[in-house]
Amino acid sequence: DAGVIQSPRHEVTEMGQEVTLRCKPISGHDYLFWYRQTMMRGLELLIYFNNNVPIDDSGMPEDRFSAKMPNASFSTLKIQPSEPRDSAVYFCASSGDRGQNQPQHFGDGTRLSIL
Amino acid sequence: AQSVSQHNHHVILSEAASLELGCNYSYGGTVNLFWYVQYPGQHLQLLLKYFSGDPLVKGIKGFEAEFIKSKFSFNLRKPSVQWSDTAEYFCAVGGSSASKIIFGSGTRLSIRP
Repeated sequence: DAGVIQSPRHEVTEMGQEVTLRCKPISGHDYLFWYRQTMMRGLELLIYFNNNVPIDDSGMPEDRFSAKMPNASFSTLKIQPSEPRDSAVYFCASSGDRGQNQPQHFGDGTRLSIL
Repeated sequence: AQSVSQHNHHVILSEAASLELGCNYSYGGTVNLFWYVQYPGQHLQLLLKYFSGDPLVKGIKGFEAEFIKSKFSFNLRKPSVQWSDTAEYFCAVGGSSASKIIFGSGTRLSIRP
């Protein structure tokens, strides 16, 4: 089991640039979650998908943030344009919900720094 | 409203001390409860989970947690901590039918060697 795979592991870019974070969930998992973690705000759920469909995006901070899941094995979180306050660690997680909350498996995260 | 409260933001203990981290939740209906651990620079990993049955749940690395329904609590315990337990610990709660899990704000545990 390869686990949840995120790329890149680190990204440093200048403000105003477009940033795309990628996630490959565990095969067979039908839920995918995007989180943001900062010292100030802790772990925040941004959006989650079920069977590739966005279910709850109420945590997405602004229109600059968008997420897609074109198929069961791939999701992207895009920030355009990026700002320094977007600097954080972004985690992707997946779970298989067999009629009951299953634990979420987290990727290693993408550490994003916006200069 | 659904919420999870971890009242201890930072706990500092010496090695071999006993640990108890508090977690209280507010959630309507049947709950599923989790504790996750995040070691420095790493991702969150599941420590233990409660779905039903015995309210005393044993997890990895000697951790356990007790679900007390009347107190809406799910405190994490370990009888004797080690330096390697230095990490941040997150309590989380979810419903029986939805997969969205609500995380607490986390408790940072520092162990003095």
